[in-house]
Amino acid sequence: QPVLTQPPSSSASPGESARLTCTLSSDLDVANYNIYWYQLKSGRPPRFLLFYYSDSNQGQGSGVPSRFSGSKDTSANAGILVISGLQSDDEADYYCLIWPSKSWVFGGGTKLTVL
Amino acid sequence: EVQLVESGGGSRQPGGSLRLSCETSGFIFSEYAMSWVRQAPGKGLDWVAGISGGGGGEVYGDSMKGRFSISRDNQANTVHLNIVNLRVDDTAIYYCAKSTGWYVATKYFDWWGQGTLVTVSS
Repeated sequence: QPVLTQPPSSSASPGESARLTCTLSSDLDVANYNIYWYQLKSGRPPRFLLFYYSDSNQGQGSGVPSRFSGSKDTSANAGILVISGLQSDDEADYYCLIWPSKSWVFGGGTKLTVL
Repeated sequence: EVQLVESGGGSRQPGGSLRLSCETSGFIFSEYAMSWVRQAPGKGLDWVAGISGGGGGEVYGDSMKGRFSISRDNQANTVHLNIVNLRVDDTAIYYCAKSTGWYVATKYFDWWGQGTLVTVSS
């Protein structure tokens, strides 16, 4: 069964950048998939942030600032979410999502703390 | 404005059943696949099931097959999730989510409801 692995937690200071990873299991090649990213805050529904396939095939969610960007690290077989210019409001849980073949699969989520 | 409003949650005993509903507005319902996603307390998001815009293409998460059934009423702009033989570990917030296209496959979720809480306990 395909697995997406995210670090349980990450932290950074306001104004810095946070780099969140989503590592695909070895049976999947990150180069072949759209990686979708969602933000989840307590008491609110998930918010679509962006998707990334390649530099020429990516998209931002409605109203999502350009501080949020996506990329891939093919050597690590991982999707990357970068949040630059961190703000206290960015403190949330972040989830990656892919469709490997027969179902949607979420990563376990990363809790981002803005110190 | 797109709106999705879930209902039908509440407390149930193990072994029971329930039907969740998600009423939608603000888009042409029959043109988009819909899904249910849940989040158990202290856990991550878990995709439950999806159904195509026409209602024929139901897909279930690997651990969701058998006890879960998704359906939709395109006249009423509503999607349902039936769960039978409830278990304690079905306790979760259940969200409905709109896809960006007709098919469940590869069409990610752009709008979500606020969720409805299901608690299964004896």
